[in-house]
Amino acid sequence: QVQLKESGPGLVQPSQTLSLTCTVSGFSLTSNSVHWVRQPPGKGLEWVGAIWSGGSTDYNSALKSRLSISRDTSKSQVFLKMNSLQTEDTAIYFCTRSGLRWGQGVMVTVSS
Amino acid sequence: DVVLTQTPSTLSATIGQSVSISCRSSQSLLDSAGNTYLYWYLQRPGQSPQLLIYLVSNLGSGVPNRFSGSGSGTDFTLKISGVEAEDLGVYYCMQATHAPFTFGSGTKLEIK
Repeated sequence: QVQLKESGPGLVQPSQTLSLTCTVSGFSLTSNSVHWVRQPPGKGLEWVGAIWSGGSTDYNSALKSRLSISRDTSKSQVFLKMNSLQTEDTAIYFCTRSGLRWGQGVMVTVSS
Repeated sequence: DVVLTQTPSTLSATIGQSVSISCRSSQSLLDSAGNTYLYWYLQRPGQSPQLLIYLVSNLGSGVPNRFSGSGSGTDFTLKISGVEAEDLGVYYCMQATHAPFTFGSGTKLEIK
């Protein structure tokens, strides 16, 4: 059964770095891509970035300079790191397997 | 980046009514291999997005056949033939032909 679960701190201070983990089961990271999507409160979906089955990455143009996505295939985990956080980065962060199956999301609030 | 324009932004329907949502792209979503990576999602209140349609017109697993997708190039449509109460929520189109991937702004379906 395909499952994805996001984890990370619920609160991050402005200018700090956000670190999120997506732990997957039921599929291999070397055969599937994993994407990150975020949703600010009351707003629409924004594609953040992806790591492909071969390990290459693509990022949202507006976030590219602050963003890094990586993985540990032995642990079936994908990582998102975003630095210089601002209040506008407050959102629910989802990970998804190729857009087909989604995790429940993790709420991240950027506030002092 | 590709811009997806969804219309209408809000839709109000009675049970049993048929409705359509349009998604127009700022550039063709047909890739060099002849594939068109256009997806439709439904996000019910408080839930993660759920895949409805992939590759323009293919029904996602477990999705009722009252949902259908059509279109090509830059113009795409999601149709619900006979709205049911469980269909309320926000509908998004997403393109995955051109990186970075992008979402439409969403269409909120309300039940009268």
